[in-house]
Amino acid sequence: DAGITQSPRYKITETGRQVTLMCHQTWSHSYMFWYRQDLGHGLRLIYYSAAADITDKGEVPDGYVVSRSKTENFPLTLESATRSQTSVYFCASSGQGNYGYTFGSGTRLTVV
Amino acid sequence: AQSVTQLDSQVPVFEEAPVELRCNYSSSVSVYLFWYVQYPNQGLQLLLKYLSGSTLVKGINGFEAEFNKSQTSFHLRKPSVHISDTAEYFCAVSDWGRGSTLGRLYFGRGTQLTVWP
Repeated sequence: DAGITQSPRYKITETGRQVTLMCHQTWSHSYMFWYRQDLGHGLRLIYYSAAADITDKGEVPDGYVVSRSKTENFPLTLESATRSQTSVYFCASSGQGNYGYTFGSGTRLTVV
Repeated sequence: AQSVTQLDSQVPVFEEAPVELRCNYSSSVSVYLFWYVQYPNQGLQLLLKYLSGSTLVKGINGFEAEFNKSQTSFHLRKPSVHISDTAEYFCAVSDWGRGSTLGRLYFGRGTQLTVWP
């Protein structure tokens, strides 16, 4: 199906474990983004990518790693999960001109 | 960096009443402006956007917003709300093409609209 897909939708992991959240888009959009959404903080940018092999930090990058070997995929890895990383994570993509982002449905991550 | 202020964190309103959700942004240059809606357990969906031209922008589901450059505002309005409009609404600003190579979106903290029967 066309669109932007995040997986898994829900994930529970233990403190200290590595976990990867997947994001796949079918539009060949250049730009991709990872946000986390927390009560009282709204949406905060973690990492973004302007193209394959080009990534940069956003507002809250600590504890996260991204890669973008292919245009359509933008995985987000928590190297050693902490409880403070319990959140809802959204992936988004945008084409040239940035006429607005398209968001995935989100991944609800709980770190216990 | 841009900043976006949504002046109300919660807006309760009765069905069929009009509603206005307020948004102000800080910028001394031209920007693109957006409103997104988030229904429970879903991602964000674009409601409408202002890129240029007419300052009154119409979006989906009967919503509209007015860009006011002098007041740096982009308030969202609907003349008659339905229970199905209950959701969280996010205002966002982008500085694409204004010295920014990314065009990232800066979001407000959201306004929870609750429509009561």
